[in-house]
Amino acid sequence: QKEVEQNSGPLSVPEGAIASLNCTYSDRGSQSFFWYRQYSGKSPELIMFIYSNGDKEDGRFTAQLNKASQYVSLLIRDSQPSDSATYLCAGLPKTSYDKVIFGPGTSLSVIP
Amino acid sequence: DAGITQSPRHKVTETGTPVTLRCHQTENHRYMYWYRQDPGHGLRLIHYSYGVKDTDKGEVSDGYSVSRSKTEDFLLTLESATSSQTSVYFCAIKGTSGRAYNEQFFGPGTRLTVL
Repeated sequence: QKEVEQNSGPLSVPEGAIASLNCTYSDRGSQSFFWYRQYSGKSPELIMFIYSNGDKEDGRFTAQLNKASQYVSLLIRDSQPSDSATYLCAGLPKTSYDKVIFGPGTSLSVIP
Repeated sequence: DAGITQSPRHKVTETGTPVTLRCHQTENHRYMYWYRQDPGHGLRLIHYSYGVKDTDKGEVSDGYSVSRSKTEDFLLTLESATSSQTSVYFCAIKGTSGRAYNEQFFGPGTRLTVL
């Protein structure tokens, strides 16, 4: 069973702080990882993806991938109340490029 | 907006009745997916399709069947609904022009309650 694990939270951070969301995966062959944001009652939307070891930055978001440790993280700098949502980590198994495996999600609350 | 609609958006039904959920896309995408989302479980794949009449099972396919007779429509059927199938169901497509390979675009979801 290929799994993606996340701390379900809720994670609370004050406005302006850095929010750190973490994800681990069991399939060592997984090559690509995604972070989706899901507002309450809405559908998920992709905010970051990462293929290579290291950091990838996009605005206030930084995705980090460490394949040796099988660890993916998402940092949100200068957190805003509008960042309050559930963040889903997902991995693409090497043996199945057609299917993405999602983690259970981490609920983030940014306190004004 | 990837042109994905789901119907119905909300449905309440009774145990033992058949239920069909419809996913419709307007952009001729080859891959379509059905997920269910439950608290603590995230999104779990039920079935997916990689072309007309081509489907495969996901991790939670028991109790569900699918059909795809046209590129634009992907139907999910619960032959005899059970209370454990109360969930939010999302349809998704695999985009070909998105920012990431295998980026998935989701429909608005269907909230199904089985009494």
